[in-house]
Amino acid sequence: QQPVQSPQAVILREGEDAVINCSSSKALYSVHWYRQKHGEAPVFLMILLKGGEQKGHEKISASFNEKKQQSSLYLTASQLSYSGTYFCGTEGGDYKLSFGAGTTVTVRA
Amino acid sequence: DTGVSQDPRHKITKRGQNVTFRCDPISEHNRLYWYRQTLGQGPEFLTYFQNEAQLEKSRLLSDRFSAERPKGSFSTLEIQRTEQGDSAMYLCASRTVSGVPEAFFGQGTRLTVV
Repeated sequence: QQPVQSPQAVILREGEDAVINCSSSKALYSVHWYRQKHGEAPVFLMILLKGGEQKGHEKISASFNEKKQQSSLYLTASQLSYSGTYFCGTEGGDYKLSFGAGTTVTVRA
Repeated sequence: DTGVSQDPRHKITKRGQNVTFRCDPISEHNRLYWYRQTLGQGPEFLTYFQNEAQLEKSRLLSDRFSAERPKGSFSTLEIQRTEQGDSAMYLCASRTVSGVPEAFFGQGTRLTVV
């Protein structure tokens, strides 16, 4: 089942912070975060594994609440390059990776 | 190996024609995924493989869609009797189940059905 993301869109000024949320109705093994710019393929940002292990981007952080089946991506001190659409991908133990509808982030100078 | 490769990058076809897309994953990746993406939407799961075995096909996918991954290497996605509603970007991704588990996406094949 497809995870649910919120908000659908956010507009920021450089230096501001934002949080993107992702929730699932099924038990999760991992949560993946990707960013996609217009006309390009999604690019990996971060993966959060059950048990607390994280791998990913230096300047973007995320959390994973296994009990609530939720994850949040934190954009801190946003830069113009952060603009794009962010997708969370979730998987259970079967390695099927399903994506949410995305959150469009616009960072303005 | 430079990443996931998809061919063709663009395809324009007439309604009713069959089309086939190819995906070459990163060589050591045994998991391969196909997604469909329309404007403003997230990647919609179509199907995935572990080596040559197709593990799941989306229930939303009509019988006009079929995918194969012979010998567990490259994969093909075929759409028969294309319809205008099939117009979309078709993305392929691959990953390994050991080591670094993230999925790597190809640049996609943009299909336009006229």
